[in-house]
Amino acid sequence: SQQGEEDPQALSIQEGENATMNCSYKTSINNLQWYRQNSGRGLVHLILIRSNEREKHSGRLRVTLDTSKKSSSLLITASRAADTASYFCATDRSGGSYIPTFGRGTSLIVHP
Amino acid sequence: DGGITQSPKYLFRKEGQNVTLSCEQNLNHDAMYWYRQDPGQGLRLIYYSQIVNDFQKGDIAEGYSVSREKKESFPLTVTSAQKNPTAFYLCASSIQGARTEAFFGQGTRLTVV
Repeated sequence: SQQGEEDPQALSIQEGENATMNCSYKTSINNLQWYRQNSGRGLVHLILIRSNEREKHSGRLRVTLDTSKKSSSLLITASRAADTASYFCATDRSGGSYIPTFGRGTSLIVHP
Repeated sequence: DGGITQSPKYLFRKEGQNVTLSCEQNLNHDAMYWYRQDPGQGLRLIYYSQIVNDFQKGDIAEGYSVSREKKESFPLTVTSAQKNPTAFYLCASSIQGARTEAFFGQGTRLTVV
């Protein structure tokens, strides 16, 4: 069962623009994580935000979490062609067991 | 270097054959997971193990089997009962499940020929 769902499914922007991806989930969580996947490769962890946090930054990444709306957003500022990848959010599995559960991802293309 | 290694990178299976995908980690993680990824489908959980000698079915366990005899190793067997095995398979590990980040291998692409 997929707990988180990303939106949009695909995003195409020019280098230098900001990219915003959203994640919605259904049940309460302990934390939410964002991952990146380059084509044909494994996932790489980007950032983890706990349920008692509202915003977190890491370099050009900014993640927000709104537990009242059960949603999170990932903002990549000043995007680069090298940011082209798929981005996934992962939450705790519904029922409280600590198993990373992923959505379908957002495919981001950054044009040079 | 610590990490998680999957092998082989590419695997071809004939109809009716069982094949085993290897996953080894030297991160001393208790939890390990197997996911299947199809185009546009995201990651779907096949099996997971939170401790040695114990594992649980995920959402799409039919046609798959696993073992967890050692903390470092969590091999996945794709049996002939799996009717549509062509996919990208990802293994991951973590400390204490989703309370912390998961580390992924580079994946195995399985193709039925």
